[in-house]
Parts: sequence; C-alpha cells; structure tokens
Amino acid sequence: EVQLVESGGGLVQPGGSLRLSCAASGFTFSNYWMAWVRQAPGKGLEWVANMKHDESERYYVDSVNGRFTISRDNAKNSLYLQMNSLRVEDTAVYYCARVRPWPTPDSWGQGTLVTVSS
Amino acid sequence: EIVLTQSPGTLSLSPGERATLSCRASQSVSSSYLAWYQQKPGQAPRLLIYAASTRATGIPDRFSGSWSGTDFTLTISRLEPEDFAVYYCQQYGGSPPGHTFGQGTKLEIK
Repeated sequence: EVQLVESGGGLVQPGGSLRLSCAASGFTFSNYWMAWVRQAPGKGLEWVANMKHDESERYYVDSVNGRFTISRDNAKNSLYLQMNSLRVEDTAVYYCARVRPWPTPDSWGQGTLVTVSS
Repeated sequence: EIVLTQSPGTLSLSPGERATLSCRASQSVSSSYLAWYQQKPGQAPRLLIYAASTRATGIPDRFSGSWSGTDFTLTISRLEPEDFAVYYCQQYGGSPPGHTFGQGTKLEIK
C-alpha cells in the first residue's frame, strides 16, 4: 500500500523558514516523479513544485520560485520542501504526492499545515 | 498559463441523479494530461480520472470522463451519498509548460 506521510508544518513568522518532509513507503520511491501541492484554508488546490526521480528536473510555480527548494533523498525514501522568505499567502495545507502516470498525482499524503503569521 | 474554468461552481442534486461537471481550458490541452479529483472535507484529494477518460484504480464505473476540444466533462451516472464532495480538474501544458487546477465544483445534496 502506498503511504505518504508529511511532517514539519507549523506556525512561522513572515520572512521565516520551514522545511517540510514526506516519508514514502509501499512503492519504489526512486522510480517516480514527486510533487508538492498546497491548499490555502477554504480555497482550491495549487501545484507548488515537482521533481524527477533522478533529481535532473525540477519545476516551481512562479509564486514560490526562488524562495522554495524541492529535494529528495532516494536512499531514505523521502521528499523535502525547503521554504524560505515565507509570506502570509503561503499559509496552506501542503500535500506530498506521487506522480503517476505523468503528470498526474495518483497518491497523496494527508497534508501538513503551514501557518505564516505574526 | 493555461486557465481551467470549472462550472457550475455548485451543483445541487439528489442521490440517484446524474451529475455533469464541466472543465473548460483557456487553450488547447492534451487529453493525456487532464485529470479529475474528488476531495471531501478534511481529506486529501483522490484521483478519479486521468488522461481525460481513464478511471484510476478502484474507481467505480459510475464515474466517467470525456472531452471535446478544450471542454472536458466528468459525469457521475447515478449519484451515491458518498459522491457529494468537491471536484477538481487538473492539467499540464502550455508554454512554458506548467500544472494548473480548476477552481473546483462543489457537488451538494439537494
């Protein structure tokens, strides 16, 4: 069974940093693109970033490009999202998702809440 | 950026009825890159349909997807109580290519 478990969310002040983690199990993590998708409270879904299985390609939505960094450790079956210079508008539940087949997230974690507030 | 516009915003129907949800793209989208998701309150999205018309694993056959040009449709043939939720379409494409979601359609019990 595919499992994705996010962690690392919390309350942070504007301008601060946070690192999200996603622990994957139940599939061969190193074979798949992975993605982060977020959802602001009461709003719709927004694709944040995705990364190829071999780390050779990354994509970021314009609103986070230059502030967020997606990375992975295939030996640890883990996906990460380093978030710097956080803004109030980054407040959301952040979901980790497996991409299969391209470009479709077929399995999602339960999400971790990031709140940016002073 | 390709914009996906879903309609209606809210759809009020009764169990047993047929639901038709629309997703219109602002420019051409490959049917291979259009998906539909269901999301219930407090839960993660669940993949229903990918490549515009292929049901994901374990999805009942009352869910179907179709398209014509830039118009994509999710049809639920006979609503069950558990189908009342928010539905999103999602695409990849454009120049430069990117991923976008529609704003969602809320399917509520009438």
